[in-house]
Amino acid sequence: SAVISQKPSRDICQRGTSLTIQCQVDSQVTMMFWYRQQPGQSLTLIATANQGSEATYESGFVIDKFPISRPNLTFSTLTVSNMSPEDSSIYLCSAADRRADIYNEQFFGPGTRLTVL
Amino acid sequence: GQQLNQSPQSMFIQEGEDVSMNCTSSSIFNTWLWYKQDPGEGPVLLIALYKAGELTSNGRLTAQFGITRKDSFLNISASIPSDVGIYFCAGQLGVQGAQKLVFGQGTRLTINP
Repeated sequence: SAVISQKPSRDICQRGTSLTIQCQVDSQVTMMFWYRQQPGQSLTLIATANQGSEATYESGFVIDKFPISRPNLTFSTLTVSNMSPEDSSIYLCSAADRRADIYNEQFFGPGTRLTVL
Repeated sequence: GQQLNQSPQSMFIQEGEDVSMNCTSSSIFNTWLWYKQDPGEGPVLLIALYKAGELTSNGRLTAQFGITRKDSFLNISASIPSDVGIYFCAGQLGVQGAQKLVFGQGTRLTINP
């Protein structure tokens, strides 16, 4: 399985500022994803980070608010822009580890706990 | 969009008891995954199921992919304190290539000493 690290592990930010979260995978992976987990809630997919092209965003999430980069097959960043207290959440990166032609399993990083004041 | 209904939402059991939780969906999934999340950590993959009817074990954990492809269950036998955490089911639609996951609401497991 892929080993995934995220930086920072946590941060406290002021409203109106932006934070960029980094995700590093220890091996090349087919695809990477960004999720949000609000306190006490389940995981919600923000977007699929596509290598070499624009990310694919889920309903309710837009590029201006959550710009994503994926410059290569092991690294991605998520920026939370113009933050408000409602953005306080855990942000999780995941990577798909291709085991066979059609089957994939997703592994998660430890998450970035963001608090916006 | 797709939704997964996971139950129960929480469980309070004695150490040594068996645990059972399940997920149902109105949609068909091609893959079912079960994750465990400890406080301050990301979800850890426990079991992946790829075929309808498949029954898979991982130590004390057993999971099954429902024959209709719309449900899955996870059983934990002889629970121990380190089983405490939140368990999530997740369904994946994709066949080829990595596809996004839809998560259940989670089952919070608490073990009384």
